[in-house]
Amino acid sequence: DIQMTQSPSTLSASVGDRVTISCRASQSISSWLAWYQQKPGKAPKLLIYKASSLKSGVPSRFSGSGSGTEFTLTISSLQPDDFATYYCQQYNSFPLTFGGGTKVEMK
Amino acid sequence: EVQLLESGGGLVQPGGSLRLSCAASGFTFSSYAMSWVRQAPGKGLQWVSSISASGGSTYYADSVKGRFTISRDSSKNTLYLQMSSLRAEDTAVYFCAKSPVAAADNWFDPWGQGTLVTVSS
Repeated sequence: DIQMTQSPSTLSASVGDRVTISCRASQSISSWLAWYQQKPGKAPKLLIYKASSLKSGVPSRFSGSGSGTEFTLTISSLQPDDFATYYCQQYNSFPLTFGGGTKVEMK
Repeated sequence: EVQLLESGGGLVQPGGSLRLSCAASGFTFSSYAMSWVRQAPGKGLQWVSSISASGGSTYYADSVKGRFTISRDSSKNTLYLQMSSLRAEDTAVYFCAKSPVAAADNWFDPWGQGTLVTVSS
């Protein structure tokens, strides 16, 4: 199974900050990686697929990069609506696996 | 607009069974793979099972293999998850989710609102 490791698990930031979340795969997954945002009591929402493709309608302050085993989600200027938990997910092979999540909280 | 609406969750005793349903609308259901993903209270996301668009291929997490069965009925635009031999560790919100293509090994978008399954005596 491919293990996905996210860091940090919690991140304290302020509105306007540049935020970077890392996701590491235990083996190469090429670019088969997605990022999701989840708010309490709600379903996750897709932000990015194929490591760097922004889903239509998602603000351009979100971006993804990386390939192989190292990936990054960047929020260029944190907005009030962005305080949430973020998950990466690999879809290179079954079983599909998620990272443990990164909670972005207000500093 | 794509909509996914789960139902069937509830309280069940250990060892019991439950069937979850996910009613889909707003897209050609038979053309897309579908999946179930769960989230235990206060925990992260865990993939449970996926089914290809045709229904001919199914995939399961090791933790549910042999106990859960995924299926779909294109005449009813509905995805199912039959759960048996339920354990306390199966307690979670269960989300159904759509894949972007017919193959099941993909990202999920969108997700339903989820249905809570509680396994407890």
